[in-house]
Amino acid sequence: KAGVTQTPRYLIKTRGQQVTLSCSPISGHRSVSWYQQTPGQGLQFLFEYFSETQRNKGNFPGRFSGRQFSNSRSEMNVSTLELGDSALYLCASSPAWGADQETQYFGPGTRLLVL
Amino acid sequence: QQQVKQSPQSLIVQKGGISIINCAYENTAFDYFPWYQQFPGKGPALLIAIRPDVSEKKEGRFTISFNKSAKQFSLHIMDSQPGDSATYFCAASNTQGGSEKLVFGKGTKLTVNP
Repeated sequence: KAGVTQTPRYLIKTRGQQVTLSCSPISGHRSVSWYQQTPGQGLQFLFEYFSETQRNKGNFPGRFSGRQFSNSRSEMNVSTLELGDSALYLCASSPAWGADQETQYFGPGTRLLVL
Repeated sequence: QQQVKQSPQSLIVQKGGISIINCAYENTAFDYFPWYQQFPGKGPALLIAIRPDVSEKKEGRFTISFNKSAKQFSLHIMDSQPGDSATYFCAASNTQGGSEKLVFGKGTKLTVNP
């Protein structure tokens, strides 16, 4: 079974621009979560989607948004990029059912550099 | 507010030694405690996880010890190998809250010398 895939893997943007990152979960997984990873703050929860509904949201400004499609694929968008948004953005999926329901499987991430 | 505190920040052990990483949590609603391993350029990969109804779980060379009263849990890597050199993250989640949000520790960079 293929793992979580994220595109693009690397991205360079300039301040003020916006960016859209994509995540395809493991086949059959219905829950998708997004995390931001930086050297200073570590791994921080951005938001979580289940069946196209945002189930939880982390403490990030409104510039960060996301959505989930009917096929469970998810996108996150960051508008008006700031230098501090440079980070590795990780997507994780989980089955959300069965004995393994809470286990989150991470993708390789999208490394975003804001200049 | 750091809900999961992880120590040490970095750890160097010799091949064949035991690596021990500790975590403490504050939220008593947490009921799921996974450990993740991350290599440079890769996403975190689940190593082993535990729920509070057991005090220890072992999978191969990896063992989680859990102390519910102290709100602490730890990862032990027996017979550490150079291939175990990576960053390890503990995490916690309240799975009864209708969300699978993970709260992570800051990570421990483990180096196993040959």
